[in-house]
Amino acid sequence: GIQVEQSPPDLILQEGANSTLRCNFSDSVNNLQWFHQNPWGQLINLFYIPSGTKQNGRLSATTVATERYSLLYISSSQTTDSGVYFCAVFTHTGANSKLTFGKGITLSVRP
Amino acid sequence: DAGVTQSPTHLIKTRGQHVTLRCSPISGHKSVSWYQQVLGQGPQFIFQYYEKEERGRGNFPDRFSARQFPNYSSELNVNALLLGDSALYLCASSPLQGYEQYFGPGTRLTVT
Repeated sequence: GIQVEQSPPDLILQEGANSTLRCNFSDSVNNLQWFHQNPWGQLINLFYIPSGTKQNGRLSATTVATERYSLLYISSSQTTDSGVYFCAVFTHTGANSKLTFGKGITLSVRP
Repeated sequence: DAGVTQSPTHLIKTRGQHVTLRCSPISGHKSVSWYQQVLGQGPQFIFQYYEKEERGRGNFPDRFSARQFPNYSSELNVNALLLGDSALYLCASSPLQGYEQYFGPGTRLTVT
């Protein structure tokens, strides 16, 4: 099956710093999502981005489907950005479809 | 509009027992998927249902089963519980198969 790799696995930032989170995937995908998981386990949708670039406030994402990677940019980080960031890719083959997640990137933003 | 809801929030069961988890999708969404997330890992796909039919199945044993009802809500059933089934179980809904998925808050299952 498809492999999804996220890097770095852990990231520690000082408040106000910028960061780039990377997601590589091993095969063609139908779409891609980025999530932020809060300490209570809730997965919060950040971006639905099969290709191209999107921006939402201090966050932006770029997916280059032909090169099989996506990047999540966080600018001017805040302590509330702390948590685990997941990339997930959707594959649809015949009658079978599913979302495959990476292992996540744990971000800690220090005041 | 209400988001995806799941019940119960927490559950403690004993090995060998059976459990039923429930999920109500966002109004208008016809696709429901189930995921298992163990501590320190990303969610793992269990099932997808669309229009009440199974459209995807992950690498889980036959002890796991699910169904989707005419109102598009869904149940996940796990028989003969093992300690390793302890996890956060997440439900996600999307308007159509393959579209953006929205997750519920999860059910945290502990098997003792």
